[in-house]
Amino acid sequence: DGGITQSPKYLFRKEGQNVTLSCEQNLNHDAMYWYRQDPGQGLRLIYYSQIVNDFQKGDIAEGYSVSREKKESFPLTVTSAQKNPTAFYLCASTWSGSYEGTDTQYFGPGTRLTVL
Amino acid sequence: AQSVTQLDSHVSVSEGTPVLLRCNYSSSYSPSLFWYVQHPNKGLQLLLKYTSAATLVKGINGFEAEFKKSETSFHLTKPSAHMSDAAEYFCVVKGRGGGADGLTFGKGTHLIIQP
Repeated sequence: DGGITQSPKYLFRKEGQNVTLSCEQNLNHDAMYWYRQDPGQGLRLIYYSQIVNDFQKGDIAEGYSVSREKKESFPLTVTSAQKNPTAFYLCASTWSGSYEGTDTQYFGPGTRLTVL
Repeated sequence: AQSVTQLDSHVSVSEGTPVLLRCNYSSSYSPSLFWYVQHPNKGLQLLLKYTSAATLVKGINGFEAEFKKSETSFHLTKPSAHMSDAAEYFCVVKGRGGGADGLTFGKGTHLIIQP
């Protein structure tokens, strides 16, 4: 089955620790995205990547880092510099380009991160 | 610049009655508009999208939405609510400019279905 997988589903972190959230897709999509979701605030963009080995900061990139070494993988690291990391994290992907269908993002099931 | 406003943070309806979730947008360009649904602790699933082909858009699970340019609205409707429709719904606008292909998400409307 084609889709986007995120792991783990639940993650607990102690203050001061870095943690890495996994996102993998087998849809052959070019672009991948990380969003943070907090109650009542919708989705906010952390980072996105249009092609391998390239990525751009979103609206709330501080305290986060990413890499895009393979087309199918876009891991997100939540660093100790992120002051309030407890949230639900969603990964998404889409085709790049201007043709019909490239504007629809497909989402993974999410990872809930809790800082203890 | 573009923005999207979901006019109700919570909507409660009885099972079998119509559903109306309201969304207004602003965009400097002809936008693409989407509705996504999110069940608890799950990712977002596309319900439907408008990309200028037809103003009345039909989606999955009996939902539809009408694009009204004069009112800058893209309200989501369903004739008869089902218990499985209980979820969070997001209106999304895509215009030109902005990060990540110019997507802007609304803050969501929580749909409650009463038996």
